Amino acid sequence: DGGITQSPKYLFRKEGQNVTLSCEQNLNHDAMYWYRQDPGQGLRLIYYSQIVNDFQKGDIAEGYSVSREKKESFPLTVTSAQKNPTAFYLCASRDRSSGRSYEQYFGPGTRLTVT
Amino acid sequence: SQKIEQNSEALNIQEGKTATLTCNYTNYSPAYLQWYRQDPGRGPVFLLLIRENEKEKRKERLKVTFDTTLKQSLFHITASQPADSATYLCALRLWTGGSYIPTFGRGTSLIVHP
Repeated sequence: DGGITQSPKYLFRKEGQNVTLSCEQNLNHDAMYWYRQDPGQGLRLIYYSQIVNDFQKGDIAEGYSVSREKKESFPLTVTSAQKNPTAFYLCASRDRSSGRSYEQYFGPGTRLTVT
Repeated sequence: SQKIEQNSEALNIQEGKTATLTCNYTNYSPAYLQWYRQDPGRGPVFLLLIRENEKEKRKERLKVTFDTTLKQSLFHITASQPADSATYLCALRLWTGGSYIPTFGRGTSLIVHP
């Protein structure tokens, strides 16, 4: 099955610890995205990557870091510098090369709770 | 500043009726607009895309309109069913000067009562 996987589904961490969220896709998509969603809020873009070894900050990149060493993987690290890390994190990908390049495919999300 | 607005209040309707959701935007001139469905605790799923030169788009019981003069898109679900209950998000792509960035509204929750 093709798709995007995020792991784990639920993640608990103590304040002050860095944590890395996994995002893998086997859709052969060039572009990948990380969003954060808070209750009753829309999706806010954290980071995005259009190609391997390149990524750009979104609207709320402070306190987060990413890497894109492989086309299929785009892990997100939530650092201790992020003031309010508890949220629902969504990873998405998009095929830039096809005629359906506007559609984003989302993973199931990771719910991070920091106490 | 650019803004996308969707009704924050939940829309409650009876099964069989038509649900109409609104997406308004300011200071954009988008080439197209998308609608997504999101179920609780899950990632959004793409439903429809409508381009600026299209007035209306249909897919099964779904219909989307796009009025670039009013800067508004309407999303209709005809013959609604309880299974249509979800949050519906509209999305535009904003040009940042380097690339197009997808930007989502907050979404409107639809509740279809049997």
